[in-house]
Amino acid sequence: SSELTQDPAVSVALGQTVRITCQGDSLRNYYASWYQQKPGQAPVVVFYGKNNRPSGIPDRFSGSSSGNTASLTITGAQAEDEADYYCNSRGNSANHPFGGGTKLTVL
Amino acid sequence: QVQLQESGPGLVKPSETLSLTCIVSGGSVSSGNYYWSWIRQPPGKGLDWIGYIYDSGSTNYNPSLKSRAAISVDTSKNQFSLKLSFVTAADTAIYFCARGALVGATVFDYWGQGTLVTVSS
Repeated sequence: SSELTQDPAVSVALGQTVRITCQGDSLRNYYASWYQQKPGQAPVVVFYGKNNRPSGIPDRFSGSSSGNTASLTITGAQAEDEADYYCNSRGNSANHPFGGGTKLTVL
Repeated sequence: QVQLQESGPGLVKPSETLSLTCIVSGGSVSSGNYYWSWIRQPPGKGLDWIGYIYDSGSTNYNPSLKSRAAISVDTSKNQFSLKLSFVTAADTAIYFCARGALVGATVFDYWGQGTLVTVSS
C-alpha cells in the first residue's frame, strides 16, 4: 500500500474549481510535488514545495498543505487539464513514494 | 535544457536481470544536489519510485524491491543505469529516468520519454 493516498477519480465542470488531495503522515514534515500525466506521455511537474510553480505551468494550478494533507487546486479547469495527477513526497527512510494517482475528468 | 533518454532491451526473460541506461544531455550527472532517479509505471497503473543515486554516489531504493535494484552512474559517459535482478512478470512496466532536485521539496523536474520493458519467456 502507498504511503500517500489519493482519491482515484475526481470530476469538475469546465471552468470550475477542483481540489485534488494527497494524504500521508510524511506530509506533516515534508512538502509534496505534483505531476500531471496525459496518456502516452511522461509526467510533468505542475507544482511543488510550499509555493512553486514551474515556468510554463498556468497560474490556475496552485498548491497548499495542512497537517497530513497536501492539495493541488485548479482554479477554472480547462479541457486540457484532463489527465492523471500524482503527488510525491519524501517518506520514511528517505524514500520517495508516489500517491496512487487521481484521474481528473473535465465535464 | 536538460534532456534524458532511456535505452535498453524491451524484452527480458523471467529470473534474468533488466538493464537500462539513461543518457543525460544539457547537464552533468556530476552536478551536485541532484537525485538521478528511476521510476516505473506498470501498464494502466500508477507511478512507482524505484530509487536514485546522488552526489557522492550514495543510493536509496524502494524497500519493496527487496534489494533487487542497483543504480550506478558513469560520469565519463554522462549517464546512469538501472539493474533489476530476478525479474518477474510484475516488473513489466514503462521505465522512466528522471532528475530529482531538492528545492523545498524533492521535485522530479526532467524526465525521459520512458521505455517499455516486458518480462516474458
